[in-house]
Amino acid sequence: QLQLQESGSGLVKPSQTLSLTCAVSGGSISSGAYSWSWIRQPPGKGLEWIGYIYHSGTTYYNPSLKSRVTISVDRSKNQFSLKLNSVTAADTAVYYCARRLISRFDHWGQGTLVTVSS
Amino acid sequence: DIQMTQSPSSLSASVGDRVTITCQASQDISNYLNWYQQKPGKAPKLLIYDASNLESGVPSRFSGGGSGTDFTFTISSLQPEDTATYYCQQYDNLPLFTFGPGTKVDIK
Repeated sequence: QLQLQESGSGLVKPSQTLSLTCAVSGGSISSGAYSWSWIRQPPGKGLEWIGYIYHSGTTYYNPSLKSRVTISVDRSKNQFSLKLNSVTAADTAVYYCARRLISRFDHWGQGTLVTVSS
Repeated sequence: DIQMTQSPSSLSASVGDRVTITCQASQDISNYLNWYQQKPGKAPKLLIYDASNLESGVPSRFSGGGSGTDFTFTISSLQPEDTATYYCQQYDNLPLFTFGPGTKVDIK
Protein backbone atom coordinates (compact mmCIF):
# COMPACT_ATOMS: atom_id res chain seq x y z
CA GLN A 1 0.00 0.00 0.00
CA LEU A 2 1.36 3.40 -0.96
CA GLN A 3 2.56 5.53 1.94
CA LEU A 4 3.96 9.04 2.02
CA GLN A 5 5.85 10.42 4.99
CA GLU A 6 6.95 14.01 5.47
CA SER A 7 10.05 14.92 7.45
CA GLY A 8 12.05 18.05 8.12
CA SER A 9 12.49 20.95 10.45
CA GLY A 10 9.43 21.89 12.46
CA LEU A 11 10.75 25.32 13.41
CA VAL A 12 12.25 27.82 10.97
CA LYS A 13 13.40 31.35 11.66
CA PRO A 14 11.97 34.25 9.63
CA SER A 15 13.86 34.95 6.38
CA GLN A 16 15.39 31.46 6.40
CA THR A 17 14.59 28.45 4.21
CA LEU A 18 12.00 25.81 4.99
CA SER A 19 13.10 22.33 3.89
CA LEU A 20 10.93 19.22 3.86
CA THR A 21 11.25 15.75 2.36
CA CYS A 22 8.55 13.26 1.45
CA ALA A 23 9.55 9.60 1.46
CA VAL A 24 7.42 7.37 -0.74
CA SER A 25 7.02 3.66 0.07
CA GLY A 26 4.90 0.93 -1.42
CA GLY A 27 5.26 2.38 -4.92
CA SER A 28 7.78 3.90 -7.27
CA ILE A 29 8.18 7.63 -7.61
CA SER A 30 9.35 6.95 -11.18
CA SER A 31 5.91 5.87 -12.37
CA GLY A 32 4.98 8.12 -15.25
CA ALA A 33 1.29 8.07 -14.37
CA TYR A 34 1.76 10.28 -11.36
CA SER A 35 3.26 13.50 -10.15
CA TRP A 36 4.25 14.39 -6.62
CA SER A 37 2.83 17.39 -4.84
CA TRP A 38 3.09 19.68 -1.88
CA ILE A 39 0.01 21.26 -0.31
CA ARG A 40 -0.15 23.33 2.85
CA GLN A 41 -2.77 24.37 5.40
CA PRO A 42 -2.28 27.27 7.82
CA PRO A 43 -3.70 26.57 11.28
CA GLY A 44 -7.50 26.76 11.19
CA LYS A 45 -7.56 27.63 7.49
CA GLY A 46 -8.06 25.98 4.13
CA LEU A 47 -5.80 24.13 1.71
CA GLU A 48 -3.30 25.77 -0.63
CA TRP A 49 -1.61 23.91 -3.47
CA ILE A 50 2.12 24.69 -3.59
CA GLY A 51 3.36 22.75 -6.60
CA TYR A 52 4.26 19.35 -8.04
CA ILE A 53 7.02 17.50 -9.82
CA TYR A 54 7.17 14.64 -12.26
CA HIS A 55 9.82 11.94 -11.98
CA SER A 56 11.48 13.58 -14.97
CA GLY A 57 12.06 16.67 -12.87
CA THR A 58 9.47 18.87 -14.61
CA THR A 59 7.86 21.15 -12.07
CA TYR A 60 4.78 23.37 -11.77
CA TYR A 61 4.31 25.91 -9.01
CA ASN A 62 1.53 28.04 -7.61
CA PRO A 63 2.16 31.50 -9.11
CA SER A 64 1.69 33.08 -5.68
CA LEU A 65 4.70 31.15 -4.34
CA LYS A 66 6.72 30.52 -7.49
CA SER A 67 9.50 33.00 -6.73
CA ARG A 68 10.28 31.27 -3.42
CA VAL A 69 9.63 27.57 -4.08
CA THR A 70 11.77 24.73 -5.34
CA ILE A 71 10.58 21.13 -5.58
CA SER A 72 13.08 18.43 -6.45
CA VAL A 73 13.03 14.64 -6.80
CA ASP A 74 15.53 11.95 -5.83
CA ARG A 75 14.57 8.82 -7.71
CA SER A 76 17.36 6.77 -6.11
CA LYS A 77 15.85 7.38 -2.67
CA ASN A 78 12.23 7.34 -3.86
CA GLN A 79 11.60 10.73 -2.33
CA PHE A 80 10.93 14.33 -3.25
CA SER A 81 11.60 17.58 -1.46
CA LEU A 82 10.33 21.10 -0.90
CA LYS A 83 12.33 24.23 -0.27
CA LEU A 84 10.62 27.52 0.50
CA ASN A 85 12.92 30.46 1.04
CA SER A 86 12.51 33.84 2.73
CA VAL A 87 9.82 32.50 5.04
CA THR A 88 7.59 34.67 7.21
CA ALA A 89 4.99 33.90 9.86
CA ALA A 90 2.45 33.58 7.03
CA ASP A 91 4.23 30.39 5.95
CA THR A 92 3.39 28.68 9.25
CA ALA A 93 1.26 25.70 8.25
CA VAL A 94 0.84 21.97 8.14
CA TYR A 95 2.65 20.84 5.01
CA TYR A 96 1.34 17.76 3.20
CA CYS A 97 2.91 15.77 0.43
CA ALA A 98 0.53 13.99 -1.90
CA ARG A 99 0.43 11.91 -5.05
CA ARG A 100 -1.35 13.48 -7.98
CA LEU A 101 -3.18 11.28 -10.50
CA ILE A 102 -4.28 13.42 -13.45
CA SER A 103 -6.73 15.76 -11.77
CA ARG A 104 -6.77 14.65 -8.18
CA PHE A 105 -4.67 14.02 -5.09
CA ASP A 106 -5.36 10.39 -4.25
CA HIS A 107 -2.80 9.63 -1.55
CA TRP A 108 -1.60 12.00 1.15
CA GLY A 109 1.04 12.01 3.84
CA GLN A 110 0.00 12.63 7.42
CA GLY A 111 1.32 16.20 7.31
CA THR A 112 3.97 18.01 9.29
CA LEU A 113 3.61 21.31 11.13
CA VAL A 114 6.18 23.95 10.31
CA THR A 115 6.27 27.01 12.51
CA VAL A 116 8.08 30.17 11.46
CA SER A 117 9.27 31.99 14.54
CA SER A 118 12.40 33.54 15.95
CA ASP B 1 -7.92 33.00 -11.61
CA ILE B 2 -10.81 30.64 -10.92
CA GLN B 3 -12.38 31.28 -7.52
CA MET B 4 -14.28 28.62 -5.61
CA THR B 5 -16.99 29.24 -3.04
CA GLN B 6 -18.75 26.72 -0.81
CA SER B 7 -21.99 26.94 1.10
CA PRO B 8 -22.81 26.68 3.82
CA SER B 9 -19.55 27.30 5.66
CA SER B 10 -20.78 25.01 8.41
CA LEU B 11 -23.79 22.91 9.23
CA SER B 12 -25.11 20.75 12.00
CA ALA B 13 -27.40 17.81 11.25
CA SER B 14 -28.75 14.69 12.91
CA VAL B 15 -27.63 11.14 12.32
CA GLY B 16 -29.55 9.78 9.36
CA ASP B 17 -30.17 13.20 7.78
CA ARG B 18 -29.49 13.93 4.13
CA VAL B 19 -26.81 16.60 3.89
CA THR B 20 -25.99 18.64 0.79
CA ILE B 21 -23.07 21.02 0.27
CA THR B 22 -22.68 23.25 -2.75
CA CYS B 23 -19.53 24.45 -4.50
CA GLN B 24 -19.59 27.22 -7.07
CA ALA B 25 -16.85 28.14 -9.52
CA SER B 26 -16.32 31.66 -10.84
CA GLN B 27 -16.31 30.32 -14.39
CA ASP B 28 -17.27 27.18 -16.27
CA ILE B 29 -15.05 24.27 -15.19
CA SER B 30 -17.01 21.49 -16.92
CA ASN B 31 -16.83 18.49 -14.55
CA TYR B 32 -13.29 19.23 -13.37
CA LEU B 33 -14.11 19.07 -9.68
CA ASN B 34 -13.14 16.80 -6.81
CA TRP B 35 -14.33 16.50 -3.19
CA TYR B 36 -12.22 15.71 -0.11
CA GLN B 37 -13.03 14.92 3.51
CA GLN B 38 -10.72 16.11 6.27
CA LYS B 39 -11.18 14.92 9.82
CA PRO B 40 -9.62 16.92 12.68
CA GLY B 41 -5.86 16.46 12.83
CA LYS B 42 -5.81 14.26 9.72
CA ALA B 43 -4.87 14.64 6.09
CA PRO B 44 -7.60 15.17 3.50
CA LYS B 45 -9.06 12.08 1.87
CA LEU B 46 -10.33 11.95 -1.71
CA LEU B 47 -14.02 11.00 -1.88
CA ILE B 48 -15.32 12.08 -5.29
CA TYR B 49 -13.44 12.84 -8.51
CA ASP B 50 -14.55 14.32 -11.82
CA ALA B 51 -17.65 15.71 -10.08
CA SER B 52 -19.51 12.44 -9.66
CA ASN B 53 -17.16 9.44 -9.54
CA LEU B 54 -16.84 7.68 -6.21
CA GLU B 55 -13.24 6.91 -5.22
CA SER B 56 -12.56 3.25 -4.57
CA GLY B 57 -13.42 2.17 -1.03
CA VAL B 58 -15.57 5.21 -0.25
CA PRO B 59 -19.05 4.44 1.14
CA SER B 60 -21.91 4.80 -1.31
CA ARG B 61 -23.75 7.27 0.93
CA PHE B 62 -21.40 9.90 -0.50
CA SER B 63 -22.21 11.29 -3.94
CA GLY B 64 -21.45 14.25 -6.12
CA GLY B 65 -23.07 16.01 -9.05
CA GLY B 66 -23.16 19.09 -11.19
CA SER B 67 -21.20 20.61 -14.02
CA GLY B 68 -20.25 24.01 -15.33
CA THR B 69 -20.21 26.36 -12.35
CA ASP B 70 -22.48 24.66 -9.83
CA PHE B 71 -21.73 21.43 -8.00
CA THR B 72 -23.24 19.48 -5.13
CA PHE B 73 -21.89 16.99 -2.62
CA THR B 74 -24.39 14.84 -0.75
CA ILE B 75 -24.29 12.50 2.21
CA SER B 76 -27.47 10.48 1.90
CA SER B 77 -27.62 9.37 5.53
CA LEU B 78 -25.27 11.23 7.88
CA GLN B 79 -23.21 9.00 10.19
CA PRO B 80 -21.26 10.02 13.31
CA GLU B 81 -17.97 9.28 11.56
CA ASP B 82 -18.82 11.83 8.83
CA THR B 83 -18.00 14.69 11.19
CA ALA B 84 -15.36 16.52 9.17
CA THR B 85 -14.61 19.47 6.92
CA TYR B 86 -15.34 18.92 3.24
CA TYR B 87 -13.41 20.70 0.48
CA CYS B 88 -14.04 20.99 -3.22
CA GLN B 89 -11.07 21.32 -5.59
CA GLN B 90 -11.06 22.43 -9.22
CA TYR B 91 -8.57 21.56 -11.91
CA ASP B 92 -9.95 23.32 -14.95
CA ASN B 93 -6.86 25.44 -15.47
CA LEU B 94 -4.18 22.75 -15.20
CA PRO B 95 -1.44 22.73 -14.09
CA LEU B 96 -2.97 24.92 -11.36
CA PHE B 97 -5.26 23.65 -8.62
CA THR B 98 -7.61 25.57 -6.35
CA PHE B 99 -9.46 24.38 -3.26
CA GLY B 100 -12.71 25.78 -1.95
CA PRO B 101 -12.82 27.27 1.56
CA GLY B 102 -14.41 24.21 3.12
CA THR B 103 -17.67 23.24 4.82
CA LYS B 104 -17.59 21.97 8.38
CA VAL B 105 -20.15 19.25 9.12
CA ASP B 106 -20.97 18.11 12.62
CA ILE B 107 -23.62 16.09 14.39
CA LYS B 108 -26.50 17.83 16.12
